[in-house]
Amino acid sequence: GAVVSQHPSWVICKSGTSVKIECRSLDFQATTMFWYRQFPKQSLMLMATSNEGSKATYEQGVEKDKFLINHASLTLSTLTVTSAHPEDSSFYICSARGWTSGMEKNEQFFGPGTRLTVL
Amino acid sequence: AQSVTQLGSHVSVSEGALVLLRCNYSSSVPPYLFWYVQYPNQGLQLLLKYTTGATLVKGINGFEAEFKKSETSFHLTKPSAHMSDAAEYFCAVSEEYGNYQLIWGAGTKLIIKP
Repeated sequence: GAVVSQHPSWVICKSGTSVKIECRSLDFQATTMFWYRQFPKQSLMLMATSNEGSKATYEQGVEKDKFLINHASLTLSTLTVTSAHPEDSSFYICSARGWTSGMEKNEQFFGPGTRLTVL
Repeated sequence: AQSVTQLGSHVSVSEGALVLLRCNYSSSVPPYLFWYVQYPNQGLQLLLKYTTGATLVKGINGFEAEFKKSETSFHLTKPSAHMSDAAEYFCAVSEEYGNYQLIWGAGTKLIIKP
């Protein structure tokens, strides 16, 4: 149980285009989803936190107009990188937190990540 | 504010040797602590977690960690390293309110020598 998927697993796009990444909780309802960015050989950097049906909360220094997050249902959140540039190239990871029987309220389940390369 | 410190960005051990990855945290309240493993180009997998109760926690793949409140530590150990253990390991502490965000350590790359 507690599986989180991400799609796509990798994407290459041209500078100036927009890219959408999907994060799905497959077997539980995710009350909260988190989006992280990870640079090579570094730890995870939290970008934003989203709760279903409400606006995402962005971390300081993260441009909300550039990284659009939508959490329209309890099983799906999307991150759209708008007008992507080479400096946006990174590994993006989502995680989800649920509130079901047997699940710790503060445990996050991680997706496999999406490698974004902007040319 | 809570913080997590992982001593050693790289740890190298021989196959069959003891693995010890260090994690110290700062928290004003009893913490929830986690160890995650990340293989190249993959997401994170939970190794083990401490919430309450027994301070020695056993996880997957033969790993265990001991919560020591007096030392504010949660070091990860494995008696005998395998080549397949080579990966990046992250220690994290959970906030105890709101969205229960995870505060991450910088990570330790475990290198296994044949």
